[in-house]
Amino acid sequence: GQQVMQIPQYQHVQEGEDFTTYCNSSTTLSNIQWYKQRPGGHPVFLIQLVKSGEVKKQKRLTFQFGEAKKNSSLHITATQTTDVGTYFCAGCPLRAAGNKLTFGGGTRVLVKP
Amino acid sequence: ETGVTQSPTHLIKTRGQQVTLRCSSQSGHNTVSWYQQALGQGPQFIFQYYREEENGRGNFPPRFSGLQFPNYSSELNVNALELDDSALYLCASSPTAGGFSGNTIYFGEGSWLTVV
Repeated sequence: GQQVMQIPQYQHVQEGEDFTTYCNSSTTLSNIQWYKQRPGGHPVFLIQLVKSGEVKKQKRLTFQFGEAKKNSSLHITATQTTDVGTYFCAGCPLRAAGNKLTFGGGTRVLVKP
Repeated sequence: ETGVTQSPTHLIKTRGQQVTLRCSSQSGHNTVSWYQQALGQGPQFIFQYYREEENGRGNFPPRFSGLQFPNYSSELNVNALELDDSALYLCASSPTAGGFSGNTIYFGEGSWLTVV
């Protein structure tokens, strides 16, 4: 079955620095979504990417969808303590019944002040 | 506040028992998906309901079953509970099952199930 892998599993970042987390799918996706989950909380939808090579920005967050629609990245600039949490990518396979989302294992982000 | 409410928020069950979890979707959303999130892992798709019919299922055994009601609220039932069923169960609501393109998906806060 489809697998979605995220690296790194953990990211320790100094406040003010940039970092990138990567997401790779074993199969081509119709779209990819990113979520943020704070400790003890539930996943919160951040963004959806649909087109090959698409790039979207939300303030300090930049999301990219690969040309082959099998990988994606999230880049955060000038990390703040509010960025703490786990970032999940979730892929929707082509022609998936019920639009099943396959989540990656997440990147757990810790920010050192 | 996503408008998706789940109950109960926490519960403890004994191995072998049965549990029912409930979800009220956001107003106007006819599609509800259920996910299981074990500690330290990403959510795993259990199944989806669209207009009261199952519309896709993940790799979960038949003892995981569900319902959707005419008001689009939903239930997740798990029979013969096992220790590995201990997890956060998340309900996600969306306005349509015909593709999430352009549609934001809203997760509820989840139901924490502990099986002892």
